[in-house]
Formats: sequence, structure tokens, C-alpha cells
Amino acid sequence: GNSVTQMEGPVTLSEEAFLTINCTYTATGYPSLFWYVQYPGEGLQLLLKATKADDKGSNKGFEATYRKETTSFHLEKGSVQVSDSAVYFCALIGSGTYKYIFGTGTRLKVLA
Amino acid sequence: DAGITQSPRHKVTETGTPVTLRCHQTENHRYMYWYRQDPGHGLRLIHYSYGVKDTDKGEVSDGYSVSRSKTEDFLLTLESATSSQTSVYFCAIRSPGTGTRGNSPLHFGNGTRLTVT
Repeated sequence: GNSVTQMEGPVTLSEEAFLTINCTYTATGYPSLFWYVQYPGEGLQLLLKATKADDKGSNKGFEATYRKETTSFHLEKGSVQVSDSAVYFCALIGSGTYKYIFGTGTRLKVLA
Repeated sequence: DAGITQSPRHKVTETGTPVTLRCHQTENHRYMYWYRQDPGHGLRLIHYSYGVKDTDKGEVSDGYSVSRSKTEDFLLTLESATSSQTSVYFCAIRSPGTGTRGNSPLHFGNGTRLTVT
């Protein structure tokens, strides 16, 4: 079945550092891919998405490129801020299904 | 923000008691979902609904039932709560989207923290 694997956290960075959070997936066909962010005490918020190979999703300085050849959708940001501290989830929905599959989440802590 | 309200926001209950969580949407969307969030497991799908009275199981449906008698409400019931059901429960809705059905993201409520003692 479909699955998503994220890098283990927590990830701790200094402010203005470069961020990469790895996400790889297993799916048949052509899934759509998503990154969500969760702040303490809140629900998940959509950060960005990509719906086909080589698409680049971007939002608030975050980017991720849908790489079908490596089945990856890594999240990147060039310069993180303390306010980016949160838990980040990679997710997919496969072709022909309405079930969204989430990774286990990666906690990011940014220090001033 | 998507109009999703979960109630209650917090609940403590005893083992063996029935519990019902409510999700209410104001968006009139067809698809609604219940997930649970646990450390080390991320979000896992419990049940989802694709219309009034139309529901299907997710990967962790044992011990849970759902009902959808109106488009706007999706109820999750724990018939006899167990300690393993202590978790944070999230409701989500799927926007209709503009292209193929895989494009649409989910929008989440703020969750219900359930503790079973």
C-alpha cells in the first residue's frame, strides 16, 4: 500500500540556518504530495503541495519539488526563523483513492 | 480558514464508557475524515465519509464507529473507551478541487484531546 517516510526528529537549528526535512514515498500511479505544518495546540495547516512530477510547491519561503525518479518530496527553506518552530508532516493521496496518508512528523526547533 | 469545529476540545473519560466526538463544517463539502494523532505514529486514518450515510474504514477503525446523517456533521463514537484510545483526534474536510480528484488538500479542525483513565 501507499506509505510516507519522514526523517526522524527533532531537528534543531539556529536562526537563519538552511533547513531540509526529507520525505520519501511509496505509491502506485501518480500521487499528489503535500506538506503540512502543526503549531502547538492547533490542527494541521497546509503549507504547500505538488500534483505531478517536477512540480515545485512553495509558500512562506518553504519549497519542495516532486521527484518521481527518487520518489521524494523534501522540504527546504533557505533561512529559518524562530517562528518556524513546529511539527512538519509530509502526506500523499494516491491515484484512485480518497485516503490521505501521513508521515510520522518531524519536529523543528529553531533557536535565536 | 475552513469552517471546521470540533467538540469537545478536551475530554477525560473512564475505561468502558461510551464517548462521542463531533465534527461540524460550514463548507458543505462532501468528504470528511477522522484521524488520530499519536507520538511516533503521525496521523492515522480512522474512518472517512464521502456523503450522507456513506462511510468507509481507515487503517485503525477497530473500536470506533461513525455516523453522518447531515452533510455538515460527522460523529465519531467510541462504544467502550479503552486506554489505548487516549489520543488527539482530528477531523478534516476535503475541498472539492479544480482538477483530478487527487489535487485537493485536507483542511483540519483544531482537534479533541481525549484521555481515557
